[in-house]
This record gives sequence, structure tokens and C-alpha cells, in this order.
Amino acid sequence: NAGVTQTPKFQVLKTGQSMTLQCAQDMNHEYMSWYRQDPGMGLRLIHYSVGAGITDQGEVPNGYNVSRSTTEDFPLRLLSAAPSQTSVYFCASSLAGQGADTQYFGPGTRLTVL
Amino acid sequence: KNQVEQSPQSLIILEGKNCTLQCNYTVSPFSNLRWYKQDTGRGPVSLTIMTFSENTKSNGRYTATLDADTKQSSLHITASQLSDSASYICVVGSTLGRLYFGRGTQLTVWP
Repeated sequence: NAGVTQTPKFQVLKTGQSMTLQCAQDMNHEYMSWYRQDPGMGLRLIHYSVGAGITDQGEVPNGYNVSRSTTEDFPLRLLSAAPSQTSVYFCASSLAGQGADTQYFGPGTRLTVL
Repeated sequence: KNQVEQSPQSLIILEGKNCTLQCNYTVSPFSNLRWYKQDTGRGPVSLTIMTFSENTKSNGRYTATLDADTKQSSLHITASQLSDSASYICVVGSTLGRLYFGRGTQLTVWP
């Protein structure tokens, strides 16, 4: 199993540009989520999905869109990038998202918005 | 307010020594407590997960303890190695499905 994969690893955008961060998992996990990690802060939940076709907002959803058309893929779209979105983004998946399921994280995408 | 506080913020120890990291939480209703290890430039990796009924769990040289009454957890690392240098993150899950992340303790192991 490849686990959770993310692309790209690094990205530089100009303010106002849009882009999609890709996330895929091959463990047949129902629950997938996106986090951002900023210096000195804990990971913050952006959006999550409990299964194909179902998504919901997390703690910091503004400026981001998600979709879940398949179990494997959970892309994160930045609609109009802002410098405040400069961060490291992690995708994660787990079997069900409830209880004590182990959560698996991808390697992260480091995004810089100029 | 649901919060997870970790201490110390950073720690430096010599290779071969033991250390203990602390986690205090106010998350309610409590479901589980997790410890993750995050190497620089990598995603977090799960070390242990404990539910309400568990008060200790080990993973090799890592031993986590949980006191659900005082809402405290600790992660003890035995015979530290250079590869233990990383950020250790405490995460508390509520029964409502939400995870609350601490800011992490940055551990540096010197030779």
C-alpha cells in the first residue's frame, strides 16, 4: 500500500491564483480530512469527508473547497489564494473517523502565496 | 472550552537518557487520546491511542499513560536515540468525532 499520497510537495502561488491540492489513499478508508499546520500552532481542520459524496466544514474552511467523488480521492481547492493561506497542508485518512481509529497522514504540501 | 496543552514547548536531552512529555486537556466528552511523532518535513505518525478505560500503552521505547480523572497524559521515552528528535503531538478525540490537537513538544536528542 502507498498509504496517503499528496501532490505537489511544494507550490508557490501569486495572490488571486487558484489551484488544487491532490490527496489519495489506497486503504479503502471512509474518513478523509484536510489540515493546515502553521508555526507555533496545532493542526487545524479545514474540511472533512465521512464517505464518497459527503463533505463538511471543519474549523477553518473559508477560502477552500473540497469534493469527494470517489473513496480514494479528496482534493482541496484554493479558490483565490491569499498570503494568509501560506502554510503546510496535510491530508489524513482513517477507517471510520469515529472512536479510536488510527489516522494516517500524508507527507504534506508546503504552499507559499506571494 | 476544549483545549489541549502540552509541556514543555521544547526539550533537549542527551542520547541514551529518558524523558517525559506532558499533555493536559479539557476536552469533553472524552473518547480517546493519541500521541503522534512528527519528523521535520513529514506528516505525523501515530504512536499510541488510548481510550477511557486504558491507563497505559506502549510502543517500543514509547510508553503513554492516561489519567482520565485528572485529564492528564504523559509520553515517556526510554533510552533516547538521535532518531527520536521530532515534534510530539498530543491529540484528544471527543465522542462527537472531533479531534483537538496540541501544539506539540519539540524534542532534540544530542549525541
